[in-house]
Amino acid sequence: DTGVSQNPRHKITKRGQNVTFRCDPISEHNRLYWYRQTLGQGPEFLTYFQNEAQLEKSRLLSDRFSAERPKGSFSTLEIQRTEQGDSAMYLCASSRDRYEQYFGPGTRLTVT
Amino acid sequence: AQRVTQPEKLLSVFKGAPVELKCNYSYSGSPELFWYVQYSRQRLQLLLRHISRESIKGFTADLNKGETSFHLKKPFAQEEDSAMYYCALSGRGFQKLVFGTGTRLLVSP
Repeated sequence: DTGVSQNPRHKITKRGQNVTFRCDPISEHNRLYWYRQTLGQGPEFLTYFQNEAQLEKSRLLSDRFSAERPKGSFSTLEIQRTEQGDSAMYLCASSRDRYEQYFGPGTRLTVT
Repeated sequence: AQRVTQPEKLLSVFKGAPVELKCNYSYSGSPELFWYVQYSRQRLQLLLRHISRESIKGFTADLNKGETSFHLKKPFAQEEDSAMYYCALSGRGFQKLVFGTGTRLLVSP
């Protein structure tokens, strides 16, 4: 499968714990995006990388959230001191040109 | 600020009936509009974008800048069209996609 992959697919954690998600984009894509989706809503933008540079961050991305894309390949999204409000589907997307973003299957986070 | 509105949470039609999923946007610049679809247990995928002006799976969408709309249409719905549809906006000033809340299309036999 040459599409965008995300791991893990599901994560259950207790409030206050740290979690890290991984996204592997399509290999020739230089742009990578993270979105968050809660029930009944469309995906909401979190952050965007062009190669290894993080070029934009949403105000939704509090200080507890950090994302990296070392070497411009895979990316990780870490949430520190998780809260119940962090429970959501975390989506990763990648693109080569400016417009067509290809999405991964998502990581569903449940904070208990 | 950019905003996308999809007024219908659910649209239920019979097979063979015409379908129109509504999408309105708010953006002061030059918009780029997209429709994404998510079938059951599958990932979000691009259905069509306005700059392509193409028909995918019988669906079309025309950008109406005067009415700030990008409605998705299909003349004869099929059962396999049942899915969640999201309208999304991008533009020259930003890289991200801004999504609407989505419309679930249910096509009954």
